[in-house]
Amino acid sequence: DQQVKQNSPSLSVQEGRISILNCDYTNSMFDYFLWYKKYPAEGPTFLISISSIKDKNEDGRFTVFLNKSAKHLSLHIVPSQPGDSAVYFCAASPDSNYQLIWGAGTKLIIKP
Amino acid sequence: EAGVAQSPRYKIIEKRQSVAFWCNPISGHATLYWYQQILGQGPKLLIQFQNNGVVDDSQLPKDRFSAERLKGVDSTLKIQPAKLEDSAVYLCASSPTHRSGDTQYFGPGTRLTVL
Repeated sequence: DQQVKQNSPSLSVQEGRISILNCDYTNSMFDYFLWYKKYPAEGPTFLISISSIKDKNEDGRFTVFLNKSAKHLSLHIVPSQPGDSAVYFCAASPDSNYQLIWGAGTKLIIKP
Repeated sequence: EAGVAQSPRYKIIEKRQSVAFWCNPISGHATLYWYQQILGQGPKLLIQFQNNGVVDDSQLPKDRFSAERLKGVDSTLKIQPAKLEDSAVYLCASSPTHRSGDTQYFGPGTRLTVL
């Protein structure tokens, strides 16, 4: 039973445009959400997080939006750059003290 | 600051053989995680250590997998005997805190192929 779902295995976006990566979850107890980015042959690196007390968190070109009623979050990258080409994982937990449940990832390809 | 080190980077074994992976976390990080990432899936936590104690090993298949972190620093993960379904990337991560939601720093992983 996948509690965290990233339904798009891949996404292709033109350089300079907005990239929107989506993540859905089923467990209403999830309260803390993170995005990690992974390049080939490297481990994931932390990108941005959000807790349920917020509906938006921004860090430079990256913004995460949380819609608790829809059990949905999204990561926006504006503007997209070639270096953003990577696999993006969404992860969630009931709070920051519990293990993370990870989605399967979305491969983002930025076209020049 | 040196990152999380893992070795070997790649390993190919026959089913029923044994294999061991090694991880050296970032200096001073109390918490160490081992994850299994099967192709096309997200990482799945196998075991979490805080210093040399086990915090969570609920998803570790204990009949064949074992892990230790004897001095609260580096760690080894062993599979004995390996099955075909153990083919995956094994990721080690460390964190300065015990909270899984705080930033985890990952090593490059060990890609295991079981034939």
